Amino acid sequence: NAGVTQTPKFQVLKTGQSMTLQCAQDMNHEYMSWYRQDPGMGLRLIHYSVGAGITDQGEVPNGYNVSRSTTEDFPLRLLSAAPSQTSVYFCASSSQGNQPQHFGDGTRLSIL
Amino acid sequence: SQQGEEDPQALSIQEGENATMNCSYKTSINNLQWYRQNSGRGLVHLILIRSNEREKHSGRLRVTLDTSKKSSSLLITASRAADTASYFCAHRTPGGGNKLTFGTGTQLKVEL
Repeated sequence: NAGVTQTPKFQVLKTGQSMTLQCAQDMNHEYMSWYRQDPGMGLRLIHYSVGAGITDQGEVPNGYNVSRSTTEDFPLRLLSAAPSQTSVYFCASSSQGNQPQHFGDGTRLSIL
Repeated sequence: SQQGEEDPQALSIQEGENATMNCSYKTSINNLQWYRQNSGRGLVHLILIRSNEREKHSGRLRVTLDTSKKSSSLLITASRAADTASYFCAHRTPGGGNKLTFGTGTQLKVEL
């Protein structure tokens, strides 16, 4: 049972490049979410999904897109990377949005 | 910001001592959760306390909840070096349905 798997673990991008952060869970959870973690700011919600085909914006959605074509996968797309998007990104899943969340180990992203 | 606040921001104690961390929030909740994050890893769920509960125990962890003061505390008894981590509280996002809002965390260091 792998839980929540995030790839890649590390990535360096140049300003303006695009990329997709992958997230997969094998717990059949309906709720999935993406957070970014910056020093001194805790976790901030970027986008979330309450089930396949349903996504919504969180606190800091600008510059990011998501889709949820299957229950298992919830990729996060950076459309045109900016230095302000340098952060650690965490994907999480749970049975419901306000229930205990299972986190991946994060993707450390640097934008030069 | 809609985030809760934890205090202290950082705490350093000796092995065997107790560690207490506090969390305040600003809105009504149906539960409050505590998470641990080891360096370089994702968050791990520790304990969930429902709004109609005042105290909950799990091993060396004791969580209290005071809904009249909108505050919670996490007590780790007989701390060990392995407890060194950051600890976060999380609660339902104000007006945000079933989304969770995370606090900024307390960094705990347990020294031998």
